Amino acid sequence: DGGITQSPKYLFRKEGQNVTLSCEQNLNHDAMYWYRQDPGQGLRLIYYSQIVNDFQKGDIAEGYSVSREKKESFPLTVTSAQKNPTAFYLCASSPASGGYNEQFFGPGTRLTVL
Amino acid sequence: SQQGEEDPQALSIQEGENATMNCSYKTSINNLQWYRQNSGRGLVHLILIRSNEREKHSGRLRVTLDTSKKSSSLLITASRAADTASYFCATVPSAGGTSYGKLTFGQGTILTVHP
Repeated sequence: DGGITQSPKYLFRKEGQNVTLSCEQNLNHDAMYWYRQDPGQGLRLIYYSQIVNDFQKGDIAEGYSVSREKKESFPLTVTSAQKNPTAFYLCASSPASGGYNEQFFGPGTRLTVL
Repeated sequence: SQQGEEDPQALSIQEGENATMNCSYKTSINNLQWYRQNSGRGLVHLILIRSNEREKHSGRLRVTLDTSKKSSSLLITASRAADTASYFCATVPSAGGTSYGKLTFGQGTILTVHP
């Protein structure tokens, strides 16, 4: 099956801890994205990567970090510097960079800070 | 600020009725996309309409784009209970500038279809 997977589905974090959210795709897509969704809101872009070993900040990158060492993987670390990390996190990929094609979304990770 | 703004915020209809959702945006776009999200799930792409297109169809979905009014509409005909979901429009700005190629999502319309 081709697709994009995220793990874990639910994640609980204590204040002051860093956590890493996994995103993997086997669609052979060049571009990958991380979004944050708060209740009743649309998606906001955290980071995106157009190609391996390259990534750019989105609209709300503060308190987050990413890496893109492999084409298939784009993990997101939520650091202790992120003051309000409780949210639903969505990873997406697209065949080419930018929004000129549809984006394919993973099922999401719901992060809760205790 | 959000580029796309959907209207209405919530829509409740009976099965078999048509549902129309609207999206307005502020700057020139390359394309506009509609996505669907079931509760607690990821988004699913529905339709992409480019700035030089006025209308597109996909099954029971019809999307229109009016670039002079900077607005789009999504029509779902003969709705079903399974259409219950949130619907988002997302815009990609025209080439140039720091927003090049990035999708910007609206806040969505929550559609409830009663059986």
